[in-house]
Amino acid sequence: DAKTTQPNSMESNEEEPVHLPCNHSTISGTDYIHWYRQLPSQGPEYVIHGLTSNVNNRMASLAIAEDRKSSTLILHRATLRDAAVYYCILSPTGGTSYGKLTFGQGTILTVHP
Amino acid sequence: GAVVSQHPSRVICKSGTSVKIECRSLDFQATTMFWYRQFPKQSLMLMATSNEGSKATYEQGVEKDKFLINHASLTLSTLTVTSAHPEDSSFYICSASGGYTDTQYFGPGTRLTVL
Repeated sequence: DAKTTQPNSMESNEEEPVHLPCNHSTISGTDYIHWYRQLPSQGPEYVIHGLTSNVNNRMASLAIAEDRKSSTLILHRATLRDAAVYYCILSPTGGTSYGKLTFGQGTILTVHP
Repeated sequence: GAVVSQHPSRVICKSGTSVKIECRSLDFQATTMFWYRQFPKQSLMLMATSNEGSKATYEQGVEKDKFLINHASLTLSTLTVTSAHPEDSSFYICSASGGYTDTQYFGPGTRLTVL
């Protein structure tokens, strides 16, 4: 399965934008890029996903590099509630791993008031 | 939309007993449900995948006779930890996907403590 690489931790100030990077140089053509976040003692929360084009939703934006070997999750205005572990995950759309999510260590985002 | 619930949220049991955890998709039909386990300070590890009406597919190293999974309907899957031991103490999380999207939506998790 293709893997992702994320920084262990990042810090931000409240109400500032946050750009969370993810490298996935071995991504295959049919892998979707998913982002989830997890607060302590809670299940992961879906944030956003995309295939090739940039995506926007009410929570965040996803910028995908043209070669798809990297992506960036953008939180436009961080709040204290955005402090969480953010996971960048590649989800295959075929083969025996279809639909499976393999969680890495993610990025711990700290938001300062 | 896309709400997944789990029950119970936490359970404490004695070693050797069995514990059942329920996972429900509240507002969509889940054709596939997944079960994960998360130990403290670690990431989620996929245990098994279940499709409605079919036997679950277990990941390598997960004992199918110890972790019984039933997915009898499009809105309910259960995980039974049989003959639980202290090393089974963990945070168990389910997710569900279905409909026109393969996005997984996660439950809030169940904290299992085996004494």
